[in-house]
Amino acid sequence: RKEVEQDPGPFNVPEGATVAFNCTYSNSASQSFFWYRQDCRKEPKLLMSVYSSGNEDGRFTAQLNRASQYISLLIRDSKLSDSATYLCVVNNGSSASKIIFGSGTRLSIRP
Amino acid sequence: DGGITQSPKYLFRKEGQNVTLSCEQNLNHDAMYWYRQDPGQGLRLIYYSQIVNDFQKGDIAEGYSVSREKKESFPLTVTSAQKNPTAFYLCASSIGGDYQPQHFGDGTRLSIL
Repeated sequence: RKEVEQDPGPFNVPEGATVAFNCTYSNSASQSFFWYRQDCRKEPKLLMSVYSSGNEDGRFTAQLNRASQYISLLIRDSKLSDSATYLCVVNNGSSASKIIFGSGTRLSIRP
Repeated sequence: DGGITQSPKYLFRKEGQNVTLSCEQNLNHDAMYWYRQDPGQGLRLIYYSQIVNDFQKGDIAEGYSVSREKKESFPLTVTSAQKNPTAFYLCASSIGGDYQPQHFGDGTRLSIL
């Protein structure tokens, strides 16, 4: 089993829809989690940190489920500009070798 | 504006040639990292440095070398020993310490001539 797994998608949804995707992790001792967005041929940009039970930032909500070892990202009222790849990142400790990136979920918003 | 600057944006390497990718940050971050991304793949860690004059190998360090002589700078050399260097190279930095998010430069695309 991979340390961090994401559904690669693509998720293709109409503008204004709500979309959610999950990221599962294998290390039960993982302590911090992040969502990044990456546009085509660009660098990843930090979208949200997910620390305890989850958090919300405008149209974006991130949830952490420790019992089932997954985090989720919910996007409400999706915009065309939300089209991107969303990377899940799990940090298992203070060493950089413990930072694990998922392969990403592709999201495409259609008009 | 504070940030991470990578240069060049595009780089071409000839057979047997070493090339160096630049990464500079003015965020006063202690930790810096180099990743490689191949199409459709996740990021893989090449090298990282948590403090000046110290660095550690990541998962795919073979064929690469780094230095960290200044806090602001973490250049990556892709040596001729790296037989498949074509990829998107990303430099990142973080405050350091436990569980801090990383911030990325805008990357360098390296191709073989």
